[in-house]
Amino acid sequence: ETGVTQTPRHLVMGMTNKKSLKCEQHLGHNAMYWYKQSAKKPLELMFVYSLEERVENNSVPSRFSPECPNSSHLFLHLHTLQPEDSALYLCASSQDQGGAFTDTQYFGPGTRLTVL
Amino acid sequence: QKEVEQDPGPLSVPEGAIVSLNCTYSNSAFQYFMWYRQYSRKGPELLMYTYSSGNKEDGRFTAQVDKSSKYISLFIRDSQPSDSATYLCAMGAMKTSYDKVIFGPGTSLSVIP
Repeated sequence: ETGVTQTPRHLVMGMTNKKSLKCEQHLGHNAMYWYKQSAKKPLELMFVYSLEERVENNSVPSRFSPECPNSSHLFLHLHTLQPEDSALYLCASSQDQGGAFTDTQYFGPGTRLTVL
Repeated sequence: QKEVEQDPGPLSVPEGAIVSLNCTYSNSAFQYFMWYRQYSRKGPELLMYTYSSGNKEDGRFTAQVDKSSKYISLFIRDSQPSDSATYLCAMGAMKTSYDKVIFGPGTSLSVIP
């Protein structure tokens, strides 16, 4: 496997379910990100981890819970979601050298989430 | 007024055409400007990164920033069918501030052979 992988690629869940999205990066990077991409809306940064510590939590509802057990893996735990949470969830990684804009982020293919 | 505006398209051009993709923004503090390309069912990939005003060229792609007009552009010369994708502009104010990255909604481009 190369680059950034995400599983599952598609997920359908009910509002009472609990599920988790998984991201794995094979690039040796030390920073990982979760983004939400809704149809016809801009990409929204949700969480940033640098060196396995959360450095940014962008006012995301508590029904989304990130976890970064090591520098290669990132999870997004989901519970009691709403239909408006249906979107493409993208994971990205970068080599954090202290500058968010000089560090190229490499994105995974995303998980297409549908909440019924 | 939205912080970053981008014509959603879709934009359809014949192969070989010059394509101009544009974003306008309202926050004069933005200093870092990026263009991403996103193919269908893929994540975005960084195409161009520029700082402050001016032009930057990379192969068939030219990024242009006009801070006085709060306007950025991406030009694609000799467009190819493989350029068909959604193009996202993104910008930020502070080099180390992750939460200041603001993305445009994207412009869908289709290059017809």
